[in-house]
Amino acid sequence: DPKIIQKPKYLVAVTGSEKILICEQYLGHNAMYWYRQSAKKPLEFMFSYSYQKLMDNQTASSRFQPQSSKKNHLDLQITALKPDDSATYFCASSQEGGNTGQLYFGEGSKLTVL
Amino acid sequence: GDSVTQMQGQVTLSEDDFLFINCTYSTTWYPTLFWYVQYPGEGPQLLLKVTTANNKGISRGFEATYDKGTTSFHLQKASVQESDSAVYYCVLGDLNYNQGKLIFGQGTKLSIKP
Repeated sequence: DPKIIQKPKYLVAVTGSEKILICEQYLGHNAMYWYRQSAKKPLEFMFSYSYQKLMDNQTASSRFQPQSSKKNHLDLQITALKPDDSATYFCASSQEGGNTGQLYFGEGSKLTVL
Repeated sequence: GDSVTQMQGQVTLSEDDFLFINCTYSTTWYPTLFWYVQYPGEGPQLLLKVTTANNKGISRGFEATYDKGTTSFHLQKASVQESDSAVYYCVLGDLNYNQGKLIFGQGTKLSIKP
């Protein structure tokens, strides 16, 4: 059974609209992350959260807003969508303090912006 | 800035062939190096981890070695199987700073002919 659940798996949006990507992890981890994988680009770090607090933000645009309502949730709200936002967004988690560098990734949410 | 380069975008082999994937990196700090593997429809998962202290990692028949002199890091397997078909990523991490912020290479897609 998947331990990191991402919803929806696929979504299509129109330019200018807003979408929320959902992520829940059932690994008991206290650190969660978002990564983005665009066509022909490497997987790219976006945000990290530890104990529901933002630790690192490598996303230049404020249109991307993570939201952590519970310890095991880290959703990603994207506003004013653009075609360049089309990508697969991966949620990941790890045990903070474990210092292993091992991240557990979800299966991704593939976003297409028309 | 910090970077990871995988020159081989795609590798096609037959079963029982030898696999070698090379990676070079550039960074100003002492990294921990990883190989992550991504199977179709899944998120990336950790395959191997190598620290600059031990130079080598072994897992599931794969072996990774690191050469500080040439800042290169390669993955090899003596005899590939069809089940090894996946995308392999060379990854850089700084466990002393933010263990969740990983820098991924472009990936090497391995296809195995049955």
